[in-house]
Amino acid sequence: NAGVMQNPRHLVRRRGQEARLRCSPMKGHSHVYWYRQLPEEGLKFMVYLQKENIIDESGMPKERFSAEFPKEGPSILRIQQVVRGDSAAYFCASSWGRGRETQYFGPGTRLLVL
Amino acid sequence: KNEVEQSPQNLTAQEGEFITINCSYSVGISALHWLQQHPGGGIVSLFMLSSGKKKHGRLIATINIQEKHSSLHITASHPRDSAVYICAAPGGGADGLTFGKGTHLIIQP
Repeated sequence: NAGVMQNPRHLVRRRGQEARLRCSPMKGHSHVYWYRQLPEEGLKFMVYLQKENIIDESGMPKERFSAEFPKEGPSILRIQQVVRGDSAAYFCASSWGRGRETQYFGPGTRLLVL
Repeated sequence: KNEVEQSPQNLTAQEGEFITINCSYSVGISALHWLQQHPGGGIVSLFMLSSGKKKHGRLIATINIQEKHSSLHITASHPRDSAVYICAAPGGGADGLTFGKGTHLIIQP
């Protein structure tokens, strides 16, 4: 059973470009969480999705960031018009259910904005 | 919102020592997570526990729900245990996690 997969593992963008980060949850998992780890800072919750639904996006910046988890395919975190402050490691985690279920983390995507 | 505090922030010990990392949180929870982040950056979920104690190899995690406190212990520590250890509790959004700042552990040979 493959673990949580994220791609790309490293992404370099210039200011103003778009970044698309993909997360394939573990087989059988329908709950996906995105977290961001800024340099020298701890992990912060961004958004929680179930298939085709955004359940909670209270941690997402109000502008330029969006997330989706379609019926088919991976979850995507999209950052439009990236700025240097978006440089960070972005982790997704998946779980079988919500609440008391263990979350399994992907390897992360390291985004560098030049 | 749950506030998660860890101590110590940094810990350097000699190989073989018994290690304890502490975590406290402000709001009652259903379960607490302990994670390990290696220098390469990947995150591994070590434990999720809601009461009592769990053991996996040389790692032991305990939680006291009444006192809102958890500890992670490492017995017979080894240099390969060097990593950042993070505790996390529900409170970051609907079932998203809120994280402590992490404990940077270095085990010297």
